[in-house]
Amino acid sequence: DAKTTQPPSMDCAEGRAANLPCNHSTISGNEYVYWYRQIHSQGPQYIIHGLKNNETNEMASLIITEDRKSSTLILPHATLRDTAVYYCIVKWWGGSEKLVFGKGTKLTVNP
Amino acid sequence: GAVVSQHPSRVICKSGTSVKIECRSLDFQATTMFWYRQFPKQSLMLMATSNEGSKATYEQGVEKDKFLINHASLTLSTLTVTSAHPEDSSFYICSARGGTGTVNTDTQYFGPGTRLTVL
Repeated sequence: DAKTTQPPSMDCAEGRAANLPCNHSTISGNEYVYWYRQIHSQGPQYIIHGLKNNETNEMASLIITEDRKSSTLILPHATLRDTAVYYCIVKWWGGSEKLVFGKGTKLTVNP
Repeated sequence: GAVVSQHPSRVICKSGTSVKIECRSLDFQATTMFWYRQFPKQSLMLMATSNEGSKATYEQGVEKDKFLINHASLTLSTLTVTSAHPEDSSFYICSARGGTGTVNTDTQYFGPGTRLTVL
């Protein structure tokens, strides 16, 4: 079973920041938080991952709370092409390498 | 970087036939590849984990004799659906664990998927 909880759906206006929350209250010390997204009928796309520090790359920012029990993925300027299902996944580095996909959040970016 | 391809992207076959799907890491070597299946309006379900040069590890409930996986090189894994039936119709997606040549060595990079329809 997925070890994360995400809202089933969210809406965002084009050009605005999209903030996608994720709860992972049972995360253990060696587990990373990974974010992927899946645009309709395509394979998932890696976005970002982190352990405890906030992370930023060309796609998004990841904010992890100090207790690591939740995180937020931020798309700073959402576009229509960001409409997708976003998955938050916790996973050990190395070791057990499985990605367990939950139901994710369906983000709809509106014009 | 970290591009994974799948071939074919779409296949339609008759019941009882076998179908082979290829998964390739184009710009990196992947010692570990994974095969997932996704039914309509559902999330991805891991079918098996494949390490180069060794037998695949199947998830509980996945028939290893029906879904044959071969990982003969560091850039190629194949999934063969043997004696396919309509209930095997699904979206099959592979991923490759980043290795030499990728920025994130423990991140899985996914292929675009293969839509299988069994008539």
